[in-house]
Amino acid sequence: KQEVTQIPAALSVPEGENLVLNCSFTDSAIYNLQWFRQDPGKGLTSLLLIQSSQREQTSGRLNASLDKSSGRSTLYIAASQPGDSATYLCAVDSGYALNFGKGTSLLVTP
Amino acid sequence: DGGITQSPKYLFRKEGQNVTLSCEQNLNHDAMYWYRQDPGQGLRLIYYSQIVNDFQKGDIAEGYSVSREKKESFPLTVTSAQKNPTAFYLCASSSGRNEKLFFGSGTQLSVL
Repeated sequence: KQEVTQIPAALSVPEGENLVLNCSFTDSAIYNLQWFRQDPGKGLTSLLLIQSSQREQTSGRLNASLDKSSGRSTLYIAASQPGDSATYLCAVDSGYALNFGKGTSLLVTP
Repeated sequence: DGGITQSPKYLFRKEGQNVTLSCEQNLNHDAMYWYRQDPGQGLRLIYYSQIVNDFQKGDIAEGYSVSREKKESFPLTVTSAQKNPTAFYLCASSSGRNEKLFFGSGTQLSVL
């Protein structure tokens, strides 16, 4: 069974810092990996999707990389802002549906 | 506006009662999913449906039931057999493999 782990569980940074969130998975046979954002009490919003044949995807200040062979992905957030405060989840599609990590709770302080 | 609508936002269940959570999408997506989220935990898959009139059990289907009679609708029933139903329930849909997953805003279910 695919296991997805996210480190750290929580992170607090001052505004303006660049930061990296990590995601690891146990089975490299995946179709794609997605990064999501979740605000408290809300649903999830898909930020980036990386297909298994791709190495990275970029959207604005966000960049996600994928290393399938080592079972790792990173989400890089440039020039963080207080509005980036949320929980970030990664999810791996290795079969019929996505397997989710527990998320990294990010707080960006002014 | 296209999207996924979940209702109600909050739901309370009495002992021995069945309750149904609604999920409707107007994105014309074939695939729909139900996930359960507990505090500090990742999402766990309850049921999924790849096409109308067909659905499959996920990792934690016991105590739950679903139907998929219309492409737009995928309601979830939490039965009295589910002994620990308190959680945040999320419905999602996608247009296919390697496409982004879209989520509703969730239903918080609590036990009275």
